[in-house]
Amino acid sequence: AQRVTQPEKLLSVFKGAPVELKCNYSYSGSPELFWYVQYSRQRLQLLLRHISRESIKGFTADLNKGETSFHLKKPFAQEEDSAMYYCALQLATNKLIFGTGTLLAVQP
Amino acid sequence: DTEVTQTPKHLVMGMTNKKSLKCEQHMGHRAMYWYKQKAKKPPELMFVYSYEKLSINESVPSRFSPECPNSSLLNLHLHALQPEDSALYLCASSQETRQIYEQYFGPGTRLTVT
Repeated sequence: AQRVTQPEKLLSVFKGAPVELKCNYSYSGSPELFWYVQYSRQRLQLLLRHISRESIKGFTADLNKGETSFHLKKPFAQEEDSAMYYCALQLATNKLIFGTGTLLAVQP
Repeated sequence: DTEVTQTPKHLVMGMTNKKSLKCEQHMGHRAMYWYKQKAKKPPELMFVYSYEKLSINESVPSRFSPECPNSSLLNLHLHALQPEDSALYLCASSQETRQIYEQYFGPGTRLTVT
């Protein structure tokens, strides 16, 4: 069965510290993985898509098929990065399966 | 216009009421989606429309009835809902469904069933 796992409900770091939000997936096909972010009182929006290999707002994510992981990383966290982060797997039918989300809190 | 809009923002309805949620996009997208998001939970897919035709129904109860009158509009008709249906209802759109495209989300309608 297809599944996305985000083991941390809450991740609290200090400003300037490195951040890694973990995401593991279970899928027998070729995975299309995304990170979506939801800032306070804002709509859900795309942060990263693995196929584009872009760095957005300093965040990067590498697909590791051997470990079935797609962890989100940023070397130096900023207060404005505080938000809910969802890892998501998109199936060929365009169905998006979301992980349970990780709330990132960046302390000053 | 690169936004998905949803109306109303908030809706309170009784269990015997009939109401509708509306979603609109003018990005030329041909795929539109309804998601349900309970508090502190991730969004869960309800329906997918592709070229104005229903392509996915995730075993949603018939008290939820989607409609896609044209390529820009998506409605969700509600009837005889239960209190456990209270949630944030999100609409999304993407270019189409034949390839993997980014989904653009609306702000949601917060529904309370009393």
